[in-house]
Amino acid sequence: GENVEQHPSTLSVQEGDSAVIKCTYSDSASNYFPWYKQELGKRPQLIIDIRSNVGEKKDQRIAVTLNKTAKHFSLHITETQPEDSAVYFCAEKISGGGADGLTFGKGTHLIIQP
Amino acid sequence: DVKVTQSSRYLVKRTGEKVFLECVQDMDHENMFWYRQDPGLGLRLIYFSYDVKMKEKGDIPEGYSVSREKKERFSLILESASTNQTSMYLCASSPPGETEAFFGQGTRLTVV
Repeated sequence: GENVEQHPSTLSVQEGDSAVIKCTYSDSASNYFPWYKQELGKRPQLIIDIRSNVGEKKDQRIAVTLNKTAKHFSLHITETQPEDSAVYFCAEKISGGGADGLTFGKGTHLIIQP
Repeated sequence: DVKVTQSSRYLVKRTGEKVFLECVQDMDHENMFWYRQDPGLGLRLIYFSYDVKMKEKGDIPEGYSVSREKKERFSLILESASTNQTSMYLCASSPPGETEAFFGQGTRLTVV
């Protein structure tokens, strides 16, 4: 599978501050980039995704940006709250011509300090 | 509401045993996947299937096989369990294309 690098592995921010998690990928054919949130003991769930024909997408306090030239995409969480504490995974997928699985980054443990 | 259900939440097996992990989805999704999740390594794809009786190797297929006899069910098989297969196993399903994958609740397998 293709490589997805995710940084940082752990991120601690004060409640109310912003958090940014970054991912890079290697295959220029990748065209779908979702972000999943996994709370402790629970299953990963999609929080936002972006496709390659879009540079930015926003949903309330969460936004994702994509730079196809540089092959990186980022998750931005503003006004962080305690319930944002979780592990976040970026992923990428090459679509078309049959199915393929998502390739995930190694995850970022986001800690919101009260 | 999409439901992906894994047959067991926790499983303890002995080295050398044949282990079956079952996954069922109720949304008529074409694609189904098996991942394993280990601390610091994220989710790694073991096998996936895009149709009944079809299977494709993921990134770490060694020591595993799969079966998809019906569209809603995707089974992961450990032919001879080993201690390095102790992990959390996550099943997922999705429609084709650039869409969300829905995960099961996970099976924590311990091989002793």
